[in-house]
This record gives sequence, structure tokens and C-alpha cells, in this order.
Amino acid sequence: GAVVSQHPSWVICKSGTSVKIECRSLDFQATTMFWYRQFPKQSLMLMATSNEGSKATYEQGVEKDKFLINHASLTLSTLTVTSAHPEDSSFYICSAYREFSGYTFGSGTRLTVV
Amino acid sequence: ELKVEQNPLFLSMQEGKNYTIYCNYSTTSDRLYWYRQDPGKSLESLFVLLSNGAVKQEGRLMASLDTKARLSTLHITAAVHDLSATYFCAVYMDSNYQLIWGAGTKLIIKP
Repeated sequence: GAVVSQHPSWVICKSGTSVKIECRSLDFQATTMFWYRQFPKQSLMLMATSNEGSKATYEQGVEKDKFLINHASLTLSTLTVTSAHPEDSSFYICSAYREFSGYTFGSGTRLTVV
Repeated sequence: ELKVEQNPLFLSMQEGKNYTIYCNYSTTSDRLYWYRQDPGKSLESLFVLLSNGAVKQEGRLMASLDTKARLSTLHITAAVHDLSATYFCAVYMDSNYQLIWGAGTKLIIKP
């Protein structure tokens, strides 16, 4: 079946540094990629939607200059958390969407900012 | 704005019992998903329900969709400990392909 490879699985970084999370669709082309964050014991919160070759659409309240999303190809989307702070610590999940096939989720990235 | 209400939010039950999780949504949609999430893990797809009256079953789990009532149910039959997890429903928005998520039901099944 379709697989989305998400890396890293977990990362610890110092406050003020930037972290890049990659999601790569294996054996299929993801026309649309969704990026979520999830706080403990909460549901998924959509951060942004990205389509290959175009700028991401951010949800209200999500700082686009802080959470940089790049979807340069149909198989790779990246989320960069810039100047990370402890409040950015969360579980980040990507989800690739293909029409008629639905959604494939990455395995998630646990970000801890110290 | 589409809202998705899932209940109960927390469910503790004994092995062998039956129970149902409910997912209500506020506007028209013809597609609904159920997912399972284990602690520290990502989402595992359980069911996609594509039409009114759709019913799908996998093992001890059965999901149904009533688009007229805007209600989906996830029924657990003769629960076993391995089914302990958080279950989410998500409703599809065809305007932008987004999923609108329920709050999740944390299910604990005691031996």
C-alpha cells in the first residue's frame, strides 16, 4: 500500500534553532499534503495545506513565517519550524492526499524544544 | 462551518462488553473516516464510509454511516484489551479535500 515516510521520528533542539521535517511519498505522487500538529490528549489541528508547486495555505492563527512549508515536488513536502521555542514542542504529522485513494499519514515527528 | 462532535470522549470498559462511539457532524458530507491512534504513534486507518447506509466491519469493529442523520457509529463487539487506543472520526470536505476531526475517544479496555 501507499506509504508516506516522515523523518525524523523525534528531534530535540535548542530554543532559537530551526528544525526541518520531511515527508516523502513512496511509490505515488501526492497532489496535496496536509500538515497537522497534535498536543497531548488532543485531536489533530490542521496547520496548512500544500499543493505541489504552489504556496501553502495556512490555517488561521498559524504563523506562516514560523512554519515554512515547501512542496517542491509531488513526492516531497517539508515543514521547517524556524526559531523554535518550547511552545512549539508538539507532535507533527503529515498526510498525503490522492483523489480516489484518500489519505496516507506519515508516522509523525515528536519535536521537543529545550 | 463544519463541526464534528464525537462522544464519549473517554470510555473505560471491561473485556467482553459491547459499546458504541458516536460521531455527529453539522453539514453535508458523503465521506467519513475512522482512525485509530496508539500513544506516541500516528494514525492508523480503520474505515472509510462512502455512502449513506454504508456499513463496514473488521474483526470486532463495525462502522456505519447515516448521511441523512449526519451520524456515524463505531461499534465494538466483545472488546479485548488490544483495542485500547484513541479513536477518531474525520469528515471529508470536498471543497478543499480537508478532513474535519472529532475530538477523539480514548478507549481503555480492562482485562
